Amino acid sequence: QVQLVQSGAEVMQPGASLQLSCKASGYAFTTYGFSWVRQAPGQGLEWMGWVSAYNGNTYYAQTLQGRVTMTTDTSTTTAYMELRSLVSDDTAVYYCARDLGWTSGSYTYYLHHWGQGTLVTVSS
Amino acid sequence: EIVLTQSPGTLSLSPGERATLSCRASQSVSSSYLAWYQHKPGQAPRLLIYGASSRATDIPDRFSGSGSGTDFTLTISRLEPEDFAVYFCQQFVSSPLRITFGQGTRLEIK
Repeated sequence: QVQLVQSGAEVMQPGASLQLSCKASGYAFTTYGFSWVRQAPGQGLEWMGWVSAYNGNTYYAQTLQGRVTMTTDTSTTTAYMELRSLVSDDTAVYYCARDLGWTSGSYTYYLHHWGQGTLVTVSS
Repeated sequence: EIVLTQSPGTLSLSPGERATLSCRASQSVSSSYLAWYQHKPGQAPRLLIYGASSRATDIPDRFSGSGSGTDFTLTISRLEPEDFAVYFCQQFVSSPLRITFGQGTRLEIK
């Protein structure tokens, strides 16, 4: 079955860089892309961006452009998200999620499978 | 960017009752690229409905979605105890990719 296993909780200093991983298994890795989504305390879901596991193409939320980089490693079937210049507002639970993919002849970006989430706390 | 507005913010109902949740878009959602998710504390969100009305794998048929254009609805026909959670709608546009979520509706036990 499809599984996405994320790296563990992090406590980060303001100004630091964060890297999270998302290990995928149970399906053909390069067939789908990944979104990263975060949820700050008491807030809703925020889409951060997307990376193709097929060719590495990316799309990033405009609010994070320049601070975020998303990559995949096909040899280890792992997706990565790096977020730089952390501030306290980056404190959140971060999720990776795999696309639903092809439905009715179109590739779709619904989020079908999710990792368990990683709590990131940014504090001095 | 398409803004999704969900209503009500909180819905208080009893098990066995019918729940109707609304998601309104600031502009038309192309090809009904609209999904609904259930989110419980401490768990990952779960995809319920995609394409406005198609149930995802293993989702019970008490969950149904409808709508098009700018107005979408998630209906839970008879609430089970495990259905009390937060529900989000989500849409995407694909060139360039932009995904947005509604702010959520909290479905609580009355």
